[in-house]
Amino acid sequence: AQRVTQPEKLLSVFKGAPVELKCNYSYSGSPELFWYVQYSRQRLQLLLRHISRESIKGFTADLNKGETSFHLKKPFAQEEDSAMYYCAPRHNQGGKLIFGQGTELSVKP
Amino acid sequence: GAVVSQHPSWVICKSGTSVKIECRSLDFQATTMFWYRQFPKQSLMLMATSNEGSKATYEQGVEKDKFLINHASLTLSTLTVTSAHPEDSSFYICSASFYEQYFGPGTRLTVT
Repeated sequence: AQRVTQPEKLLSVFKGAPVELKCNYSYSGSPELFWYVQYSRQRLQLLLRHISRESIKGFTADLNKGETSFHLKKPFAQEEDSAMYYCAPRHNQGGKLIFGQGTELSVKP
Repeated sequence: GAVVSQHPSWVICKSGTSVKIECRSLDFQATTMFWYRQFPKQSLMLMATSNEGSKATYEQGVEKDKFLINHASLTLSTLTVTSAHPEDSSFYICSASFYEQYFGPGTRLTVT
């Protein structure tokens, strides 16, 4: 069965601290993996995808096929990073996303 | 960038009535749109995949006769909650697919 696990419901860090939001997936085939972010009172938006291997707002995520993980990292968290973060694999372009439970990141001053 | 709108942004209706929610892709054509439901402080639950010109594909456990989906054009999909009950109260979100998924702002439905 397709499954996405984000083990931390809430992650609280101080400004300037490193942050890692975990994501593990169980998925047949070779899915494309995404991280979405939802700031307070805003719509869900794409943060980054594994195939582009880019850094957005200082965040990076490396796909580890051996561990079936796609953890999101940022070396120095900022208060404006406080939001809900969702990991989501997708089987093919145009296909449906399967969302993890989400991790609420709270960055304190 | 690609923009998806939803209308209305919030609606209150009485139990037993039906409510229609629209999802539009404003600056691109989307052959596929998705409908999600989100409870407070919870993740998005996919309800159905809507393909233009064909019947929607519903996820397991979602009543297709209760949640009617129509995707009549490449820029519009509608979700109709029929005979709404208080337990249908939720936040409904749509997305439109164009290489990636773009999400609407959501519709808050409250059934009294």
